[in-house]
Order: sequence, then structure tokens, then C-alpha cells
Amino acid sequence: QVQLVESGGGVVQPGRSLRLSCVASGFTFSTYGMHWVRQAPGKGLEWVAVIWHDGSNKYYVDSVKGRITISRDNSKNTLYLQMNSLRGEDTAVYYCARDYGQGSGYYHFDYWGQGTLVTVSS
Amino acid sequence: SYVLTQPPSVSVAPGQTARITCGGNNIGSKSVHWYQQKPGQAPVVVVYDDSDRPSGIPERFSGSNSGNTATLTISRVEAGDEADYYCQVWDRTSDHYVFGTGTKVTVL
Repeated sequence: QVQLVESGGGVVQPGRSLRLSCVASGFTFSTYGMHWVRQAPGKGLEWVAVIWHDGSNKYYVDSVKGRITISRDNSKNTLYLQMNSLRGEDTAVYYCARDYGQGSGYYHFDYWGQGTLVTVSS
Repeated sequence: SYVLTQPPSVSVAPGQTARITCGGNNIGSKSVHWYQQKPGQAPVVVVYDDSDRPSGIPERFSGSNSGNTATLTISRVEAGDEADYYCQVWDRTSDHYVFGTGTKVTVL
């Protein structure tokens, strides 16, 4: 069965960095696009970034461009989110989600992890 | 950037029909997906590509999309349907994925 398990969340001071990981199992990781989606406390879902199945293309929501980098290691079945210069508004539960396709658009997110909480606070 | 607007809340009695709208400019030209999220849980897709259902999702969940409005319809509502619901599309012009503002469905 498909499983996505996030880790790496925690409390971090503003301006510091954090790296999230998402370990995938139960499917051929290298054939699917992958996303990060976040949800601030009591708020709605916000798409953060996508990476194509082969890592050849990456897209970001405007609010994180230049501060956050999505990457993947297909040999380790792992998705990453490197977050730098963190701000209070980055406080959220971060979910990794599998794209139904290769990540190039159109498709829905068919499997989600349980999320990891990132709290940016001094 | 592309914006999707949903009503903040919908209330419905058990056994009745709930309709949740998702408004966007010419959304009928896009493929719309719907997610259900219960408290403390990750979202689950309930309808994709406007009107298709994943395996395991009851036939009570259906979708439509035309013009500037997409609609998720929940027939014969049950207490277990109480959740937040989000629509989502891919915006081709920006290569961004967009979620709607979310609708809380309350079963009376």
C-alpha cells in the first residue's frame, strides 16, 4: 500500500532553516510527481511546490520563491523541502502528496502523508 | 493569480443534499478536483476530473463543472460527511496548483 511519511518539523526561530523529508513506499517513486502542501493553524490548504517525477522541473507558490527548495532522491524514495529564511507565516502543517501523474499539471493529489508541523517562533 | 472562491459554510440535515460551489474565472475549462478533510487528518480526494470518483468513495459524492462554477454534491448526507471540503485546479498559465478557500459542512 502507498505510504508517505513526513519528518523534520519542529520549532525554529525566524530567519533560520529547516529541512523536511518525506519517505515514500508502496509504489515506484520515480514515476510520479510529488508536491508539498501546507496548512496554517485553523486555515485552508495552500499548495507550496511541485517537482516532476524525474526532478527536471520544479514550481513554487510565489510566497516561498527564493526561500524554499523542493528536491527528490529517487534512489532513496525520498522527497525534501529545504526551507530557509523562515518567517512566522511559514508556520503550518506541511503535507507531502503524490501527483496522480508525473507532476506536469492537470492531475489531482491521490495520496497524502499525515503531515509534519513547523512552528516559526522566537 | 487564479482564485477559487467557496462559501465558508454549508449546513444540511441528515438524508438531505449538500451542494458546495467553487467559483473561478472560466473554471469550466479546467479540471476540478475535490478533497475532504476531517479534523486532525490529511485531505482525501473524493472527486477528481470534475466528476470521477476514486475507488472507495460512495456514489453519494458527485461533481459537475460548467462556466464559472464547479459543484460538489453530497446526496443523502450522513453524519460522517461532516468535514471541510476544498476544490483544486491546476492553472496552466502559471504552472501553479490552486486550492479553493474551503467549505465547512455541518450536519445538523
